[in-house]
Amino acid sequence: GDSVTQTEGLVTLTEGLPVMLNCTYQSTYSPFLFWYVQHLNEAPKLLLKSFTDNKRPEHQGFHATLHKSSSSFHLQKSSAQLSDSALYYCALRNTEGADRLTFGKGTQLIIQP
Amino acid sequence: DMKVTQMPRYLIKRMGENVLLECGQDMSHETMYWYRQDPGLGLQLIYISYDVDSNSEGDIPKGYRVSRKKREHFSLILDSAKTNQTSVYFCASSSGTGNTLYFGEGSRLIVV
Repeated sequence: GDSVTQTEGLVTLTEGLPVMLNCTYQSTYSPFLFWYVQHLNEAPKLLLKSFTDNKRPEHQGFHATLHKSSSSFHLQKSSAQLSDSALYYCALRNTEGADRLTFGKGTQLIIQP
Repeated sequence: DMKVTQMPRYLIKRMGENVLLECGQDMSHETMYWYRQDPGLGLQLIYISYDVDSNSEGDIPKGYRVSRKKREHFSLILDSAKTNQTSVYFCASSSGTGNTLYFGEGSRLIVV
């Protein structure tokens, strides 16, 4: 079955440094990959999703590139901001999966001044 | 105004009591979901509903059941709640394959 692995449970960074959150996946079919972000006491909401035509999605300074060869969809940002502190979920929906979204366990990102 | 609304937001129940969590959406989305969120475990799918009376088990359905009698409403029922069902429950909806999930604000359930 499908699975998503986020290796870091907690990432702590200083403001201004680059961010990279890891996401790898296993899927039988060609998947769509997503990043969802959840700020404290809020609902998860979509941050990015992969395209089928190899375009690199970007939003709020974050970007992610789908690498099918390495089954990865790492989230990156060049310079962290305090407001980026949140819980980040990588998720997968395969094209045969009848609307099911499989989430990783999440990475808590803490940005310190 | 795209919104998913969950009620109640906070609930304390005794072990063995029944629990009803309700979810509504105003986007006419066909597909709705119930997830639970636990620290270190992420979001786990309990049930998915493809439309009225078209429900399917997710990854952790045991101890739960659902009801969808109208497209805009999706309920999660716990018959005889257990302490290990203490969690935050999220409802979500989407308009189809490959599309965005819209989440509600969550319902925090404590079973004592």
